[in-house]
Amino acid sequence: GAGVSQSPSNKVTEKGKDVELRCDPISGHTALYWYRQSLGQGLEFLIYFQGNSAPDKSGLPSDRFSAERTGGSVSTLTIQRTQQEDSAVYLCASSSLLSETQYFGPGTRLLVL
Amino acid sequence: AQSVTQPDIHITVSEGASLELRCNYSYGATPYLFWYVQSPGQGLQLLLKYFSGDTLVQGIKGFEAEFKRSQSSFNLRKPSVHWSDAAEYFCAVVPMDSSYKLIFGSGTRLLVRP
Repeated sequence: GAGVSQSPSNKVTEKGKDVELRCDPISGHTALYWYRQSLGQGLEFLIYFQGNSAPDKSGLPSDRFSAERTGGSVSTLTIQRTQQEDSAVYLCASSSLLSETQYFGPGTRLLVL
Repeated sequence: AQSVTQPDIHITVSEGASLELRCNYSYGATPYLFWYVQSPGQGLQLLLKYFSGDTLVQGIKGFEAEFKRSQSSFNLRKPSVHWSDAAEYFCAVVPMDSSYKLIFGSGTRLLVRP
C-alpha cells in the first residue's frame, strides 16, 4: 500500500511568515510522529499523536510550533512567525498500534530566508 | 546520560569491500534498536530492527546487525558494499520508558569508492 506522504516537498518562506506542513500517514496507522532534521541538531522528536489521546508535545521547540491531527489521520504542523533557525527538513512518520516500528515520509525541506 | 552514539561521522569503503557501522547506546534497559538509511533528498528507510530474540538480525538490501548486550552495541554490517549503498545511516532506539520516541544517533555518511 501507499507509504507516508508529505507536502509540500519544499517550502521557501520569508522570516516572520507562517507555514503549514502536511502529513498523510499510512492507512490504518494510529500513531503519527513529527521529527525535525537540521544540521546543527540532527534528528529530533517534535510531537506524537496516538489515536484520540492527548498528543505528546514535549519536543516542540517553542510556542510558535503547533500541530493537529484531524479525524485520526492527516496531520498539519504549523510554524508561526518563522525564524531562520526553523530551516530544516521536517519528517513525519507513522506506526500501527501494536508496533514500535515507525515508517517515514520523504520530508518537507523548509528554508526560511 | 541516555544517548545513542555513532562514533564515525564518515566512512569510505571500496565497492565490494565489507562494511561495519558502529552504534552504541546508553540506557538502563535494552531499548528497541533500529537502523535507518537516508539517501540524498530522501526520507528515512528502515533497514532492520531488534526487539528481542536472536541477536543477529537480517535486514533489507543485504544488511545485518548484531546486538551485543555486554557492549551495549548494535553494529550494522554488510559483506560486500555496492555503489548504491552510498547514503547516510542512522542508528536509533526507542527506550523502554518512552515506548514511542525514536532517539537517533548523529549518523554515519558512507562513501563508496568505485
